[in-house]
Amino acid sequence: AQSVTQLDSHVSVSEGTPVLLRCNYSSSYSPSLFWYVQHPNKGLQLLLKYTSAATLVKGINGFEAEFKKSETSFHLTKPSAHMSDAAEYFCVVTPRGTGRRALTFGSGTRLQVQP
Amino acid sequence: KAGVTQTPRYLIKTRGQQVTLSCSPISGHRSVSWYQQTPGQGLQFLFEYFSETQRNKGNFPGRFSGRQFSNSRSEMNVSTLELGDSALYLCASSLVAGGETQYFGPGTRLLVL
Repeated sequence: AQSVTQLDSHVSVSEGTPVLLRCNYSSSYSPSLFWYVQHPNKGLQLLLKYTSAATLVKGINGFEAEFKKSETSFHLTKPSAHMSDAAEYFCVVTPRGTGRRALTFGSGTRLQVQP
Repeated sequence: KAGVTQTPRYLIKTRGQQVTLSCSPISGHRSVSWYQQTPGQGLQFLFEYFSETQRNKGNFPGRFSGRQFSNSRSEMNVSTLELGDSALYLCASSLVAGGETQYFGPGTRLLVL
């Protein structure tokens, strides 16, 4: 069994300030973890993924996330928010290497960026 | 390389009708998965096709079905539409069945009246 909890449904930051979107997971298997972003009326775009290599993962648009097994967390960060970062962000977990399609999505965090 | 494409982008149907949605995966990707996104239930997995065979299935009624063609393009069909089927339907492709990294299309927004 697996689950994902995104701890904040809404996050509001000012442009130029850091972004922190929190994600905790549980999984019976060694997990692969992903962050996706969804802009209004668009599909999901892959930001970054963790699949057992380095625990600090760098993604597109300046985002990064750190896999912390002891804390079962995979928080998404960005040093400086940009207006174009305003979107909904989804944390996703899947069991690694099983070949099963078993993605579990978090409920999403809506990021608002104030000018 | 072109991304995942979905057609149509928007659809309006009435209860009881049926609908067919289409998805073309990224070139070379052989797995296509379908997801339903609603405000209340979030993102839910419908099913996955690989090599023209359904490989995985989510917890949806039999009114939801799909198929995949030899060129990896996939269609999803919903019969006897209900109001609750109104949603954004997303298609995602990956290289292989169960491939962990999926690439999503823009979605088809279905409104059932």
